[in-house]
Amino acid sequence: DAMVIQNPRYQVTQFGKPVTLSCSQTLNHNVMYWYQQKSSQAPKLLFHYYDKDFNNEADTPDNFQSRRPNTSFCFLDIRSPGLGDAAMYLCATSRGDRVAYEQYFGPGTRLTVT
Amino acid sequence: KNEVEQSPQNLTAQEGEFITINCSYSVGISALHWLQQHPGGGIVSLFMLSSGKKKHGRLIATINIQEKHSSLHITASHPRDSAVYICAVRSHNFNKFYFGSGTKLNVKP
Repeated sequence: DAMVIQNPRYQVTQFGKPVTLSCSQTLNHNVMYWYQQKSSQAPKLLFHYYDKDFNNEADTPDNFQSRRPNTSFCFLDIRSPGLGDAAMYLCATSRGDRVAYEQYFGPGTRLTVT
Repeated sequence: KNEVEQSPQNLTAQEGEFITINCSYSVGISALHWLQQHPGGGIVSLFMLSSGKKKHGRLIATINIQEKHSSLHITASHPRDSAVYICAVRSHNFNKFYFGSGTKLNVKP
C-alpha cells in the first residue's frame, strides 16, 4: 500500500502559470518535506513542516510556497514557474521525535515548464 | 563545501563484483541513511544507521562515527542493482537532512 502519494506524477505547466503539486501520507508522520531534484543532482530541501510549523530553507525562492491543511496533506505551490523550475519534486515524511527515524519518500512529480 | 561527500560519482561493475560506495560527512548527525533511486525518480530507503553495521540481503552498510564516514557494500552485484545510491545524514537538528550528490552504479551482465 502506498504510504506517501504524490499527484500528479507528471505535470506540464506554462512559463508563469501557477501550479500546485500535492502530497498525501497514510503514516501519520509529524514532519513533511519538499525537495527539488534536478537532473543528476542531489535532492535539495525547499522546506519542511513539523506539525503545523513551517520551516523554510534560507535559499528557497519566494516563488515557492507550501500549505499543510492537516497532518495527511501538504501542497507545494509555485507561483510563477520559470524554465529553471523544471525538476523532479519529491515529498517525504518522517516522525519528528527526538529520535532519528527514517524518511519515506513519495514517487515524485516531474514538472515540465514550457 | 557540501556537508556530505560521496565517492565515486560513477561506478561501472561486472555482474558478481563486490561494490563499495563511500560517504563522508562534516556535520554532527543523529543518523545516516543510504537511499536508492531508480530511473524515474522514486527513492527507497535502504538503511538507517547511527553506529556499527547493518546487513540486508546482499547489502551491507557500516558507519564510523569518529571518522564521520560510512560505506555501502553490495556483494555479488546484479544488473538490477543499477541505480543511484544516495547518502543522506540527519543532523542534530533532527528535522534537517543533508544529501550527497549520489553514486550512479551500472552493473553489466
